[in-house]
Amino acid sequence: SQELEQSPQSLIVQEGKNLTINCTSSKTLYGLYWYKQKYGEGLIFLMMLQKGGEEKSHEKITAKLDEKKQQSSLHITASQPSHAGIYLCGADIAGTASKLTFGTGTRLQVTL
Amino acid sequence: ETGVTQTPRHLVMGMTNKKSLKCEQHLGHNAMYWYKQSAKKPLELMFVYNFKEQTENNSVPSRFSPECPNSSHLFLHLHTLQPEDSALYLCASSQDWGRVWTFGSGTRLTVV
Repeated sequence: SQELEQSPQSLIVQEGKNLTINCTSSKTLYGLYWYKQKYGEGLIFLMMLQKGGEEKSHEKITAKLDEKKQQSSLHITASQPSHAGIYLCGADIAGTASKLTFGTGTRLQVTL
Repeated sequence: ETGVTQTPRHLVMGMTNKKSLKCEQHLGHNAMYWYKQSAKKPLELMFVYNFKEQTENNSVPSRFSPECPNSSHLFLHLHTLQPEDSALYLCASSQDWGRVWTFGSGTRLTVV
């Protein structure tokens, strides 16, 4: 099994709809990172969460880290075609801040 | 542009060829990383360098040979690759053991 599980694996939503992507671990997440990737390209940093219960927002994207620091969610409000891509969660599981472990990603399509 | 530049963007090579991937960052970061991204698999950490010293080799086959001449440059030398090595190779850098990892756009490698 993966150290970081992302769900769903893929998602198709109509423009204007809200959606949530989840990232779960059986281990403590010392730092949780959300990235967005356009197909075949590099990763664009979205947000980083470190404290249990922390919540951050940027434009229409909100990310939360639960109190136990084992689960994070990424919520997009009123989705737009520009939100389409692959969303990846990465985490410092070792607690050393020396490397990131990634989930398999969630592919998001936004239809008109 | 994220500040981490990878060249080439695309590479097609035969199994007997020797080629190199290059990564350059001008962010003043001291740590650099190579990740491999294959279809439907999480990003796999390959190598970690901190202040030019290799601190992690994640059981990578010897046909992949990294080189880090200084904190701003990272190379991945390739020789006698296999078709299953075809993937997107991503370089990343971070400062002080990473509060934010910055990724390049990747090199799409195809081994024929």
